[in-house]
Amino acid sequence: GAVVSQHPSRVICKSGTSVKIECRSLDFQATTMFWYRQFPKQSLMLMATSNEGSKATYEQGVEKDKFLINHASLTLSTLTVTSAHPEDSSFYICSARDVSGNYGYTFGSGTRLTVV
Amino acid sequence: SQQGEEDPQALSIQEGENATMNCSYKTSINNLQWYRQNSGRGLVHLILIRSNEREKHSGRLRVTLDTSKKSSSLLITASRAADTASYFCATGKGANSKLTFGKGITLSVRP
Repeated sequence: GAVVSQHPSRVICKSGTSVKIECRSLDFQATTMFWYRQFPKQSLMLMATSNEGSKATYEQGVEKDKFLINHASLTLSTLTVTSAHPEDSSFYICSARDVSGNYGYTFGSGTRLTVV
Repeated sequence: SQQGEEDPQALSIQEGENATMNCSYKTSINNLQWYRQNSGRGLVHLILIRSNEREKHSGRLRVTLDTSKKSSSLLITASRAADTASYFCATGKGANSKLTFGKGITLSVRP
């Protein structure tokens, strides 16, 4: 089946530093990947849609200069949280969809970011 | 705003019982999906039902969709302790469209 690998699973960083999260589709090509943010005991909120070879589409209220998304290949999208602050601490999840369209979206295992 | 709204928000049942979770949505959809999330983990896709379908089965799962009422239900039969997780419904408007998630239901299955 379709597998999405997300790394790292956990990261702790100091305020002001940047953190990069990778999302890879292992056995399928994904022209579109999605980045979500989830606070404890809450639902997933879409941050941006990552399109291979073009600029990401950000949801309203999401700062594009703070959350940099790069989708340089059909199997890799990255999210960089720049100048991280404690309020950026959250669970970040990526997802991608097999182009066959017969299945739901495949999600990565998530990244727990803690900014201290 | 949340497209999907699940109810109940929390459900506790005994192993072996059936669990029914409901989801309502507001706008037109192409498909509705149910996902499961274990604590601190990513989401696992359970089942997808298209807007022209009314019912779908997968193992112990049964999902229904009523587009006239803009609602869906997920039934887990003969529940197991391992079914303990959060369950989310999500709606999509087309291929590769973004998903909009509901708030989720926390299911606890007591052994």
